[in-house]
Amino acid sequence: QKEVEQDPGPLSVPEGAIVSLNCTYSNSAFQYFMWYRQYSRKGPELLMYTYSSGNKEDGRFTAQVDKSSKYISLFIRDSQPSDSATYLCATNYGGSQGNLIFGKGTKLSVKP
Amino acid sequence: TAGITQAPTSQILAAGRSMTLRCTQDMRHNAMYWYRQDLGLGLRLIHYSNTAGTTGKGEVPDGYSVSRANTDDFPLTLASAVPSQTSVYFCASSDREQGPQHFGDGTRLSIL
Repeated sequence: QKEVEQDPGPLSVPEGAIVSLNCTYSNSAFQYFMWYRQYSRKGPELLMYTYSSGNKEDGRFTAQVDKSSKYISLFIRDSQPSDSATYLCATNYGGSQGNLIFGKGTKLSVKP
Repeated sequence: TAGITQAPTSQILAAGRSMTLRCTQDMRHNAMYWYRQDLGLGLRLIHYSNTAGTTGKGEVPDGYSVSRANTDDFPLTLASAVPSQTSVYFCASSDREQGPQHFGDGTRLSIL
């Protein structure tokens, strides 16, 4: 079993829809959780960074972590065509081993 | 703000040749990382450095070497390139070992 599982999609939604992107992870030692957005031919861009269970909101984006279920989500409200990208979840153990473990990414397309 | 600069942006290289991918950051981050991104496999860590003068091996280090002579630069060297090293290479940095990582825009490398 891979340490971080993410549905690759592709996911296509109409403009204005609420988007839900999800990942599951297998190791309860993971402490930090991140969501990255990657546009075509660009590097991953950090969207959200969280440590604890619960919700973290930033504008139209909400990251949710449920450590008891080992489940992380990213919600995008009022989705825009400019949100079309690949979204990567990532986690790490913390401490001296800060290396990130990534999901394979979900490709999102928001249609005007 | 430049952030992380990678060079070259793309390269075609003959098998057996050597090449160094350059990575420079201007954020004075302690930790730096090299990943490769392949379709269907996602982002995989090659090597990392938690601070200048130290390096460590990631998930796929074979065929690659790194050095960290100073805080800002973290070059990745392929001593004798093979076709399986065809990939997109991303450099990243973070201000602390368990902190969120910030990425460059990658080097697209084709080994023929």
